[in-house]
Amino acid sequence: QSVLTQPPSASGTSGQRVTISCSGSSSNIGSNTVNWFQLLPGTAPKLLIYNNNQRPSGVPDRFSGSKSGTSASLAISGLQSEDEADYYCAAWDARLNGWVFGGGTKLTVL
Amino acid sequence: QVQLQQSGPGLVKPSQTLSLTCAISGDSVSSNSAAWNWIRQSPSRGLEWLGRTYYRSKWYNNYAVSVKSRISINPDTSKNQFSLQLKSVTPEDTAVYYCARVGAGGALDIWGQGTKVTVSP
Repeated sequence: QSVLTQPPSASGTSGQRVTISCSGSSSNIGSNTVNWFQLLPGTAPKLLIYNNNQRPSGVPDRFSGSKSGTSASLAISGLQSEDEADYYCAAWDARLNGWVFGGGTKLTVL
Repeated sequence: QVQLQQSGPGLVKPSQTLSLTCAISGDSVSSNSAAWNWIRQSPSRGLEWLGRTYYRSKWYNNYAVSVKSRISINPDTSKNQFSLQLKSVTPEDTAVYYCARVGAGGALDIWGQGTKVTVSP
């Protein structure tokens, strides 16, 4: 059972906009910033979003993040087949004194 | 450019100790603005943070409650690397293990390539 809650799956057609939610509590998302990662099979996690809505250099602006209270969202616009991957949210948890992750969302591009 | 290079065995017997090393290039394990983490991924548990080591005038460690009694993460300043030791492993510890940096921006921004570790007789 993951500390952060994500939907197990999401889908969209090419060109569409998809959002993935991440729900937490006051000790993690409510008091710390959120990271989002993309996992492709056989590769290390790639940081997509940090500080709730900042993109590292090289990440397309099709990816955006937001946070409100104890929830966060990742939005992917102009969906492409290469976006088919697993997406995870993460935040520091002040009560557990460690990083906590969502259970991951498998994105399918139809 | 910061890179993390992992090394260690891919097969460990039950009850033995899992040992992995993460060599750092482009940064220092003794950096006052970074933290060095171990994280694992398995189909049953997803991504799970195991612990970290970091230097702020002295060395600190934090460990996940789930592994606290079995884990040790240690820096090696002479080789600019850090290591993971997980004792008394069981098949439940089978996973892909990653080392990762938390940089000055506060994000898990640099990851190692991952090591698939199987616990089996």
